[in-house]
Amino acid sequence: DAKTTQPPSMDCAEGRAANLPCNHSTISGNEYVYWYRQIHSQGPQYIIHGLKNNETNEMASLIITEDRKSSTLILPHATLRDTAVYYCIVRVVTLPGTASKLTFGTGTRLQVTL
Amino acid sequence: NAGVTQTPKFQVLKTGQSMTLQCAQDMNHEYMSWYRQDPGMGLRLIHYSVGAGITDQGEVPNGYNVSRSTTEDFPLRLLSAAPSQTSVYFCASNDRGGGYTFGSGTRLTVV
Repeated sequence: DAKTTQPPSMDCAEGRAANLPCNHSTISGNEYVYWYRQIHSQGPQYIIHGLKNNETNEMASLIITEDRKSSTLILPHATLRDTAVYYCIVRVVTLPGTASKLTFGTGTRLQVTL
Repeated sequence: NAGVTQTPKFQVLKTGQSMTLQCAQDMNHEYMSWYRQDPGMGLRLIHYSVGAGITDQGEVPNGYNVSRSTTEDFPLRLLSAAPSQTSVYFCASNDRGGGYTFGSGTRLTVV
């Protein structure tokens, strides 16, 4: 799996958009970009994933650059409940040996404040 | 509710004791995996399974055994607990292209 680089921490005011960047400059053509978050000591929660097109769901939007070397997770209206560690992970999903495991980095600690 | 169920939520062991952490999923997911998380660190993969009867080692497998006799269950066994195994353990399941679903974790302390 390609390595990712994320800033260790970010702050965001409640109600504003939180934009979390991720660099994955060595990503391969068959690797997807996944985002997870971990609130306090709970189990990680899946947010969104994509290959090359931008994606949106009820939680967030994922913007992937055209060269796929970086991406941004956007929480459009951050709330205090979005305070968490956010992990960007890239992986191949077409093979059982790689689809069945995740490699976590240290992530970005997002603090949403009043 | 559908999801991944881990038991127990908390456990204290003495050095040398053995125990099994239970994990069950009801989503008929093909893949299951175990992770440990130490304070201030990301999750590290212990063992994983791509289907019933098939398991493989992850990044930190020493001191742990797994088996996958059914699609639903993926227990993690600590053979002889050591203080270095004090950690929070998470079980997860997923389908090939989908997001992972994690359990709520087991907090293990080895004294």
